[in-house]
Amino acid sequence: EVQLMESGGDLVQPGGSLRLSCEASGFTFTDYWMHWVRQGPGKGLVWVSRLNGEGSTTSHADSVKGRFTISRDNAKNTLYLQMNSLRAEDTAIYYCVRGHYASGTYFDSWGQGTLVTVSS
Amino acid sequence: EIVLTQSPATLSLSPGDRATLSCRASQSVSTYLAWYQQRSGQAPRLLIYDASNRATGIPARFSGSGSGTDFTLTISSLEPDDFALYFCQQRRGWPPTFGGGTQVEVE
Repeated sequence: EVQLMESGGDLVQPGGSLRLSCEASGFTFTDYWMHWVRQGPGKGLVWVSRLNGEGSTTSHADSVKGRFTISRDNAKNTLYLQMNSLRAEDTAIYYCVRGHYASGTYFDSWGQGTLVTVSS
Repeated sequence: EIVLTQSPATLSLSPGDRATLSCRASQSVSTYLAWYQQRSGQAPRLLIYDASNRATGIPARFSGSGSGTDFTLTISSLEPDDFALYFCQQRRGWPPTFGGGTQVEVE
């Protein structure tokens, strides 16, 4: 069974930093693109970042480019999101998501999410 | 960025009813469209990909159709667990984008 377990969400002040982690199990981690998708309070879903199985190719949404960095440790089956210069608009539930095997940019397995709140 | 518009925002139906949800893209996405279900307090779940292919483990009462700019998700006979929020998502353009969602609620 595929499992994705996020951690690291917290209350942080504007301008602060946070690192999210996602432990993966139940599949061959290196075979899949991995993503972060966020959902603001009462809002829809927004794709944030992606990383290929090797960890060599990344992409970020324009809204987080230069502030967020996605990475992975394949030895630990863990995905990360380093979030710097946080803003109020970054407040959201952050989901760790596996890319679909046939196309990396459908999302076929989701963690339960971790809440990031940016507020003074 | 491709904008996806879902309608209606809310659909009020009863168990056993047929549900028809719409997703319209601001430009053609061919058939590169997926549908997700999000039950209250839960993470989204992939239902349909490439417009009409059911994901693993998804019941046959869920079906998708369409191409280009107009897409439909149909639930043939609503069961209690189907009352939830539904999102469409495209992967034709960059970045991947989601629609605003349709809430299927009990009438």
